[in-house]
Amino acid sequence: EAQVTQNPRYLITVTGKKLTVTCSQNMNHEYMSWYRQDPGLGLRQIYYSMNVEVTDKGDVPEGYKVSRKEKRNFPLILESPSPNQTSLYFCASSLRTQVQETQYFGPGTRLLVL
Amino acid sequence: AQSVSQHNHHVILSEAASLELGCNYSYGGTVNLFWYVQYPGQHLQLLLKYFSGDPLVKGIKGFEAEFIKSKFSFNLRKPSVQWSDTAEYFCAVNGAGGFKTIFGAGTRLFVKA
Repeated sequence: EAQVTQNPRYLITVTGKKLTVTCSQNMNHEYMSWYRQDPGLGLRQIYYSMNVEVTDKGDVPEGYKVSRKEKRNFPLILESPSPNQTSLYFCASSLRTQVQETQYFGPGTRLLVL
Repeated sequence: AQSVSQHNHHVILSEAASLELGCNYSYGGTVNLFWYVQYPGQHLQLLLKYFSGDPLVKGIKGFEAEFIKSKFSFNLRKPSVQWSDTAEYFCAVNGAGGFKTIFGAGTRLFVKA
């Protein structure tokens, strides 16, 4: 089954404790992306990756890091989490051609930073 | 600046009523437009998308959207809503050949049975 998986699905942590949220897709997509969803703000793009070893900042990259060492994985790293990073996080991957694109979203990771 | 504006944050309708959710965007160049739906407790699913061609796009579950380039709009419509359409709906845009996707703030739809 074609899917995007994220782990963990729920996480409670404390300020300053480094954490990683994993994202994996089994569709051989080149393009992957991370979003955060906050009430009233919709989804905002954190980082995206066009291919292995190619990443770039989205609209809200501060406080986050990513890496893309393999095509299927795109982990999101919070080196020193703060309470304002409490949010719902979605990973997405997409197949992009010259004429169209379809994004597939993961189930989401709900993060609470105390 | 690139942005997507969804006109209504909350919409309440009775079953069988018609639905129209507004979406306006500000984005330079050729655009790709999307509507996503998020049912309670679930992740986003693609409802429909526009890349080129016929500006009236039909999606899943009886939804359609019309791209009006002169108005920078991509409104979502459904002639008769059902209770199961209760969800949050997001409009999104990205540029042809670009990789940044901008989402609107979302519209929460509640359909009364």
